[in-house]
Amino acid sequence: GESVGLHLPTLSVQEGDNSIINCAYSNSASDYFIWYKQESGKGPQFIIDIRSNMDKRQGQRVTVLLNKTVKHLSLQIAATQPGDSAVYFCAEISPSGSARQLTFGSGTQLTVLP
Amino acid sequence: EAGVTQSPTHLIKTRGQQATLRCSPISGHTSVYWYQQALGLGLQFLLWYDEGEERNRGNFPPRFSGRQFPNYSSELNVNALELEDSALYLCASSLGLASGDEPQHFGDGTRLSIL
Repeated sequence: GESVGLHLPTLSVQEGDNSIINCAYSNSASDYFIWYKQESGKGPQFIIDIRSNMDKRQGQRVTVLLNKTVKHLSLQIAATQPGDSAVYFCAEISPSGSARQLTFGSGTQLTVLP
Repeated sequence: EAGVTQSPTHLIKTRGQQATLRCSPISGHTSVYWYQQALGLGLQFLLWYDEGEERNRGNFPPRFSGRQFPNYSSELNVNALELEDSALYLCASSLGLASGDEPQHFGDGTRLSIL
């Protein structure tokens, strides 16, 4: 079946630097994508979403880029802070609107170094 | 605004027993989703309920079942528990089917341990 995967399982960045977390998806027809942050002992927390009719969307300190040509999604975090340390998941929803199940990647562990 | 709440936080069972997990969605949300997150792994979709009906089901055996109540809260039932059922079970909610694609918001999960 289709899957969503992540390029790197771990990422370490210095506090204050920018972070870039990448995600590859295999279903070229997917049209809705979400980034989640999961801290230890907690459920995934919604960060930002993007629909396939867009290639960029910005939030507070975060930017999501979507490249449909190469089926690639990235999350950029500006001025990374210790509180950003967590596992980050990308997720996609299949183009069949009635399905509405999220397909998650395996996650990237972001560690912010002091 | 209260988020998605799940109970219990932790649940310990033995093989062959049955477990019931509960979820209350965000006020105004009519869709509820259940996911299984095994240790160190990603989230696997289990079930989706909307307006009291099961709308979609993941690739799990029939001993995983659930229901949604008129107040949109939901239960996940797991029968004949097996050791590999040990995982974090996450519930999410979103606006209903008619709203199109909207982000799902998660609770903090129920940690189910099978001894």
